[in-house]
Amino acid sequence: EDKVVQSPLSLVVHEGDTVTLNCSYEVTNFRSLLWYKQEKKAPTFLFMLTSSGIEKKSGRLSSILDKKELFSILNITATQTGDSAVYLCAVVRSNYKLTFGKGTLLTVNP
Amino acid sequence: DAGVTQSPTHLIKTRGQQVTLRCSPKSGHDTVSWYQQALGQGPQFIFQYYEEEERQRGNFPDRFSGHQFPNYSSELNVNALLLGDSALYLCASSFGFMKEQPQHFGDGTRLSIL
Repeated sequence: EDKVVQSPLSLVVHEGDTVTLNCSYEVTNFRSLLWYKQEKKAPTFLFMLTSSGIEKKSGRLSSILDKKELFSILNITATQTGDSAVYLCAVVRSNYKLTFGKGTLLTVNP
Repeated sequence: DAGVTQSPTHLIKTRGQQVTLRCSPKSGHDTVSWYQQALGQGPQFIFQYYEEEERQRGNFPDRFSGHQFPNYSSELNVNALLLGDSALYLCASSFGFMKEQPQHFGDGTRLSIL
């Protein structure tokens, strides 16, 4: 059975801090890994990672995948209160099925 | 450009009843997937529709069924509701079946079973 484990499950930081969220996986026939941000309702797409070692970057957010060690990290620098959300990691199999982790609840205090 | 829209936003039912949830995909998308998200958990894949057929299914009982219409919109039906069916039901759409395209999610329907 596919497994996607995110850590930590929750995290409280102050504005301006840098955070690193982790996602490890055991999936048959891995294709890609996705990161989503969920604030109360619809998860919104952040990154799709398919190749090892290539960093994807969007503003203060960045992510990288290690296909040998089977994990990905999501970094957020200079955090803001608007970054408070649940961050979801999902792994895509070769048949395009998604398996999500439980998510990391990030709280950024002013 | 409308995103994924779901209705209703909230629903309260009692055990044993049946429910139908609706989803309109993002403009230009033709593939619809449904997920169940219990409190404090990540979304769990229920099934996926493309060209009006169920193409893939997760580990959900037959009480969960669906439909896709020619305009790509979709319905999720759940029969014989159980307390454990209380969750946020998310619809996601993408373009093309078995393609490397990220799914776009709607705001979900919050279903509460009493």
